[in-house]
Amino acid sequence: KQEVTQIPAALSVPEGENLVLNCSFTDSAIYNLQWFRQDPGKGLTSLLLIQSSQREQTSGRLNASLDKSSGRSTLYIAASQPGDSATYLCAVESAGNMLTFGGGTRLMVKP
Amino acid sequence: NAGVTQTPKFRILKIGQSMTLQCAQDMNHNYMYWYRQDPGMGLKLIYYSVGAGITDKGEVPNGYNVSRSTTEDFPLRLELAAPSQTSVYFCASRAYTEAFFGQGTRLTVV
Repeated sequence: KQEVTQIPAALSVPEGENLVLNCSFTDSAIYNLQWFRQDPGKGLTSLLLIQSSQREQTSGRLNASLDKSSGRSTLYIAASQPGDSATYLCAVESAGNMLTFGGGTRLMVKP
Repeated sequence: NAGVTQTPKFRILKIGQSMTLQCAQDMNHNYMYWYRQDPGMGLKLIYYSVGAGITDKGEVPNGYNVSRSTTEDFPLRLELAAPSQTSVYFCASRAYTEAFFGQGTRLTVV
């Protein structure tokens, strides 16, 4: 059974800091990994998707990396802003077309 | 393009009542999913479908049922609602890679 863990569960940083969110998974036989953003009381918005054959993906100030062999992914946010405050979730697609989610990291960026 | 549409947005049920949460997508995606999210937690998979007529259990299927008669619709049925089913329910769909989510249904069972 695939299990996904995100560390830290919560993070508070001052505006302008660069930060890293971590995601680990137990079964390295994944098809892809996706990072989502969730604002309070809202649905999930896809940020980045990394295929199993890729090592990283970038979108603006966001960079996601994938090390499938070690079962890890990181989401790097450069020059954080208060508008980045949200919960960030990672999800992996494994055999059986299932998406398994981590518990999320709640990020607060203080002005 | 509406994407994934869930109805209703909010609902209060009494213990023992039944209801159907609706989910529709207009992207012709084969894969559809139902998740629940408890406060401060990640998402747990209830049921999923890889195409019309095909459904399968996820991690927490007890107390729920689904059907997939068309590509577009994937309703979730709650029979005999219990307080443990108080949660936010999300529907998602995807073609081969990126998943798209609805805005969620907040359900309270009292």
